[in-house]
Amino acid sequence: SQTIHQWPATLVQPVGSPLSLECTVEGTSNPNLYWYRQAAGRGLQLLFYSIGIDQISSEVPQNLSASRPQDRQFILSSKKLLLSDSGFYLCAWSVSMNTEAFFGQGTRLTVV
Amino acid sequence: ILNVEQSPQSLHVQEGDSTNFTCSFPSSNFYALHWYRWETAKSPEALFVMTLNGDEKKKGRISATLNTKGYSYLYIKGSQPEDSATYLCAARGGNAGNMLTFGGGTRLMVKP
Repeated sequence: SQTIHQWPATLVQPVGSPLSLECTVEGTSNPNLYWYRQAAGRGLQLLFYSIGIDQISSEVPQNLSASRPQDRQFILSSKKLLLSDSGFYLCAWSVSMNTEAFFGQGTRLTVV
Repeated sequence: ILNVEQSPQSLHVQEGDSTNFTCSFPSSNFYALHWYRWETAKSPEALFVMTLNGDEKKKGRISATLNTKGYSYLYIKGSQPEDSATYLCAARGGNAGNMLTFGGGTRLMVKP
């Protein structure tokens, strides 16, 4: 069966520090991968999606970047965090763009 | 970006009550409408994927409908405390293509 792992679960980082959140999927090949963010009081906002290795599309201009160095690994990064980057980040995968998405457990990021 | 809206934002009901909430989305170039349940400290869990106007899906006490005017309704019959969660809808279509655009969610709290 397929599983998705996302870490860390919680993170407190100072303003201006770098960020690296990692997500890996097991049990499937060539998944579509996604990074979402839930800001306080709002729904899930799609940040990045990837249909293959080194193929990243950004949905929202921001202080973040994503990379997919391996088929089942998706990394969310920032060189310098802002206070507004605080939120709950979710990684997800799907078989294709037309099927349901399966989510990781999420990372609660607090930038102080 | 699609405009997907959910109402109400939050809902408190007593155990045994039946309840329903609404998701609205652009009906033009519609592809699919997804419902997810998101319990605290867990990952969002897919409930239904609906693609046909007039579609109706059911899973236990939970059901959902979709109409041609850009509305989907989620119904819970005989609410139980374990139904307490945030219910998210997400649409594919319109100018967002195959991307899932989420609504802000409805937070349901069922009191025993």
